[in-house]
Amino acid sequence: GAVVSQHPSWVICKSGTSVKIECRSLDFQATTMFWYRQFPKQSLMLMATSNEGSKATYEQGVEKDKFLINHASLTLSTLTVTSAHPEDSSFYICSARGRGVWDEQFFGPGTRLTVL
Amino acid sequence: AQTVTQSQPEMSVQEAETVTLSCTYDTSENNYYLFWYKQPPSRQMILVIRQEAYKQQNATENRFSVNFQKAAKSFSLKISDSQLGDTAMYFCAFMRLSPYGGSQGNLIFGKGTKLSVKP
Repeated sequence: GAVVSQHPSWVICKSGTSVKIECRSLDFQATTMFWYRQFPKQSLMLMATSNEGSKATYEQGVEKDKFLINHASLTLSTLTVTSAHPEDSSFYICSARGRGVWDEQFFGPGTRLTVL
Repeated sequence: AQTVTQSQPEMSVQEAETVTLSCTYDTSENNYYLFWYKQPPSRQMILVIRQEAYKQQNATENRFSVNFQKAAKSFSLKISDSQLGDTAMYFCAFMRLSPYGGSQGNLIFGKGTKLSVKP
């Protein structure tokens, strides 16, 4: 299957700072990327969907000014958590889907964010 | 809105035995996909098996098979000859398809079932 990477795999930051997480499709062009959030022992919750070159579509209840998503190229999407607070600590997972592929999306390994 | 329900938070099975994980979903759509994903302790999401709603034949992938009951909106996963490496969280997921083909691709996940395979 196709490979999706995330960087960093884990990050610790101070409250009030911003953190950027990168999601890259390594061997295919990702026309659509998805960002999920997973709390401990819970399921994945979709935060937003981004199509290359377009603004992201955020799910209800997700603050678009806090979670900035950029999908500037067919292989890279970034999630920036602005002015992070301890309640933003979570596991963030991205996934990517190729052009014309409806039935599968490839997941990154996730990024653990801890805000002190 | 679509919902996915996994009623078994935790299950355990002896190595080499068979286990079935249940999943029900609620939708008014007719065209959709259903998936089972595995999330081992590494937390990497791995696709186990998928089922197109229009197909009556149940999907199988080696030791993994599903029992898809469209009318009952049920989609269970059977793992045969369980192995220690099958220990993981298992998530059932739903994806809606557009009536014109294609999909935005949004996956709706159940809460998961933690499966432990015991030696």
